[in-house]
Amino acid sequence: AQSVTQPDIHITVSEGASLELRCNYSYGATPYLFWYVQSPGQGLQLLLKYFSGDTLVQGIKGFEAEFKRSQSSFNLRKPSVHWSDAAEYFCAVGAVSGGYQKVTFGIGTKLQVIP
Amino acid sequence: DTEVTQTPKHLVMGMTNKKSLKCEQHMGHRAMYWYKQKAKKPPELMFVYSYEKLSINESVPSRFSPECPNSSLLNLHLHALQPEDSALYLCASREGSIAGETQYFGPGTRLLVL
Repeated sequence: AQSVTQPDIHITVSEGASLELRCNYSYGATPYLFWYVQSPGQGLQLLLKYFSGDTLVQGIKGFEAEFKRSQSSFNLRKPSVHWSDAAEYFCAVGAVSGGYQKVTFGIGTKLQVIP
Repeated sequence: DTEVTQTPKHLVMGMTNKKSLKCEQHMGHRAMYWYKQKAKKPPELMFVYSYEKLSINESVPSRFSPECPNSSLLNLHLHALQPEDSALYLCASREGSIAGETQYFGPGTRLLVL
């Protein structure tokens, strides 16, 4: 079964600083990887996804993520954080099981942005 | 348009009430999902519908009853819930072929069971 580890439950960064959120996955085959963002009381918005091809993936809102198979990682980055980026970030891995696709989420990383 | 809508936004119900949550998408997606999300936790899969048929029930108690009347609509009927069922209930729909799946989420219904 697949699993996702987000080692940082809470991260605080200054506005304008760079950001990296860590994500490690466990899955026996080629994974489908996602990053979602959730603002308080809201649903999840897809930031970016990796299925195959270029291991550096560009997403919305200036985010990017790099898939590193050797490290089983899919870390999310942003060069300059804005106050509006404060939210909960979920890394997820998708896998085919029993003929359907199941997405497993990590526990999430809460991002706080300070002035 | 990549929008999934959910109604109501908030719901308060007693343990003897019967209520329903509604989810709608008009993107032509043929798979729809219900998730439950407790505070400070990731979403947990409850049900998967594929082509209007229930594909997966993740051992959800029978007090939750899903229904998919057509390809655009997904309901979750609630009856005799417990206070521990209070959570954010998220609906999602899936695009793409089985080889690559992106789920689009609605804003959720925040449920409080008294």
